[in-house]
Amino acid sequence: AQKVTQAQTEISVVEKEDVTLDCVYETRDTTYYLFWYKQPPSGELVFLIRRNSFDEQNEISGRYSWNFQKSTSSFNFTITASQVVDSAVYFCALAGGALTFGSGTRLQVQP
Amino acid sequence: KAGVTQTPRYLIKTRGQQVTLSCSPISGHRSVSWYQQTPGQGLQFLFEYFSETQRNKGNFPGRFSGRQFSNSRSEMNVSTLELGDSALYLCASSLDGTGFSGNTIYFGEGSWLTVV
Repeated sequence: AQKVTQAQTEISVVEKEDVTLDCVYETRDTTYYLFWYKQPPSGELVFLIRRNSFDEQNEISGRYSWNFQKSTSSFNFTITASQVVDSAVYFCALAGGALTFGSGTRLQVQP
Repeated sequence: KAGVTQTPRYLIKTRGQQVTLSCSPISGHRSVSWYQQTPGQGLQFLFEYFSETQRNKGNFPGRFSGRQFSNSRSEMNVSTLELGDSALYLCASSLDGTGFSGNTIYFGEGSWLTVV
């Protein structure tokens, strides 16, 4: 069975602070894909990144960066210099037949 | 390029009624999946359709059903609504499914269903 754990239920930071959202996953598959999505209050899940299990390179996209460590089954997401517009719920998900989502981390960025 | 379109966005139904939700995937995408999101259970997979065939199914009762048309548009139906069916229903679109292909999966804005 697959499982995704996002232990941080809610995080509150002040604008311009850096923040890291944790994601730990469990799977028996050797090939798998990991995703991060952002969900604003409107409800839509906005795709942020996809990572396959063979590619452990970290990735940076603007203020966003991702750290994938297969040895610890983690796929953490860091927002540098957070902004109020980053306030949302963030989901980590594991693909294998269907998407298995973590419970999400609500990020509140205070001005 | 148009995104995933779901209709209706909001609806209120009475217990015992049935509801049909619609999803138009991104042009060229052949896989459509449905997810239910509730505060208590989080995001849960309902089913996936690919080329008009149900390819995968989550752990939901038979009251939840779906179908896919030849143009890849999909509908899901919930019969005999219960209060617990109140949720955000999200449709996801991808080229050929989540499986192990790793295709990016795009979501619509969802349909907010309230059962009273």
